[in-house]
Amino acid sequence: EVQLVESGGGLVQPGRSLRLSCAASGFTFDDFAMHWVRQGPGKGPEWVAGISWNSGSIGYAGSVKGRFTISRDNAKNSVYLQMNSLRVDDTALYYCAKDDHVVPATGHGMDVWGQGTMVTVSS
Amino acid sequence: DIQLTQSPSFLSASIGDRVTFTCRASQGVGSYLAWYEQKPGKAPKLLIYATSILQRGVPSRFSGSGSGTEFSLTINSLQPEDFATYYCQQHNSYPLTFGGGTKVEIK
Repeated sequence: EVQLVESGGGLVQPGRSLRLSCAASGFTFDDFAMHWVRQGPGKGPEWVAGISWNSGSIGYAGSVKGRFTISRDNAKNSVYLQMNSLRVDDTALYYCAKDDHVVPATGHGMDVWGQGTMVTVSS
Repeated sequence: DIQLTQSPSFLSASIGDRVTFTCRASQGVGSYLAWYEQKPGKAPKLLIYATSILQRGVPSRFSGSGSGTEFSLTINSLQPEDFATYYCQQHNSYPLTFGGGTKVEIK
């Protein structure tokens, strides 16, 4: 069964850091690009970051560029999101998603999603 | 960044109706436009990518069309399980972006 399982969310104070992890199973992980997408309470999805199969192509949303870093470890079938300088408006459910292509842009859309991990930024 | 504007924001329809909603991009995205369906408490589900390619397992009553800056999603013969919120997303260039969504409710 194709599966993505996120972890690492929680309550954090503004300005602090958090690292999210996503463990993939059921498919050949290093054949596909991966994404992080977030969804704030009552809001639509917001793409956060994407990484190609070999980490050669990486992109970020303007709202997180310079603060968040996406990475992957193909040996561990995992993708990560390092989040620094967290702000209250980063509060959201963070989803890990698989692209059906090797690169995030000009890809094939996000065909598999995890259940999400909640990040709450509050003092 | 490419802005995606979906219309209408809300649509009321009946079982069996044919419904169409649109997604306009602030600049061209080629054919790299995807559609997702989301139900409350669930992750989005990919329906269509590259404007008109139906994702595996998605019923054929869903179809997509368009190019450049204007796209549409059509559902033929609306079914009870289709009442949800639909989002478009451009996958042409970084940063990828989503539209604001169209919520389809039962009339």
